[in-house]
Amino acid sequence: GNSVTQMEGPVTLSEEAFLTINCTYTATGYPSLFWYVQYPGEGLQLLLKATKADDKGSNKGFEATYRKETTSFHLEKGSVQVSDSAVYFCALSTDNYGQNFVFGPGTRLSVLP
Amino acid sequence: EPEVTQTPSHQVTQMGQEVILRCVPISNHLYFYWYRQILGQKVEFLVSFYNNEISEKSEIFDDQFSVERPDGSNFTLKIRSTKLEDSAMYFCASSRQGDNSPLHFGNGTRLTVT
Repeated sequence: GNSVTQMEGPVTLSEEAFLTINCTYTATGYPSLFWYVQYPGEGLQLLLKATKADDKGSNKGFEATYRKETTSFHLEKGSVQVSDSAVYFCALSTDNYGQNFVFGPGTRLSVLP
Repeated sequence: EPEVTQTPSHQVTQMGQEVILRCVPISNHLYFYWYRQILGQKVEFLVSFYNNEISEKSEIFDDQFSVERPDGSNFTLKIRSTKLEDSAMYFCASSRQGDNSPLHFGNGTRLTVT
């Protein structure tokens, strides 16, 4: 079946450090890939997405490139801020109907001033 | 920007009681979902709903659960007889169409079963 694996957290960084959160997936067909972010006490917000191989999703300084050859969608940011502290979920969808999204386990990021 | 809204934000109930969690999806969306997240654990799919019927459901979504779209705007999740292990954050989501459109989530309802 379809699955998403993420690096285990928590990840603790100092402000302005470089961030990478690894995500790899297993899927049948050609999935769309997503990163969602969950700030403390809030719901899940779409951060970025990519729908086909070599697409790069970007938003708020975050980027992720859909790598079909390595089945990966790693999240990166060049300079993190304290406000980026949250839990980040990698997800995929292969359905055209019903959209059974599969989420990774989430990676908690803490950014220290 | 349109949002998915969920009420209540926090629901406390006793074991064995029925609860109804309410959601108002984005108005022009056609696909609706419920997910749950047990504290500190992963987000789990419960059910998807399209064209007034369930299109997919997970093993978690047993006979104790039901969903309904009673009118043109609300989408509800009912748990008939709550158990302690039903305590979790329940997220409603909607999407515009079925071509891998991203899901838009509400802020969730925290259900505490005592």
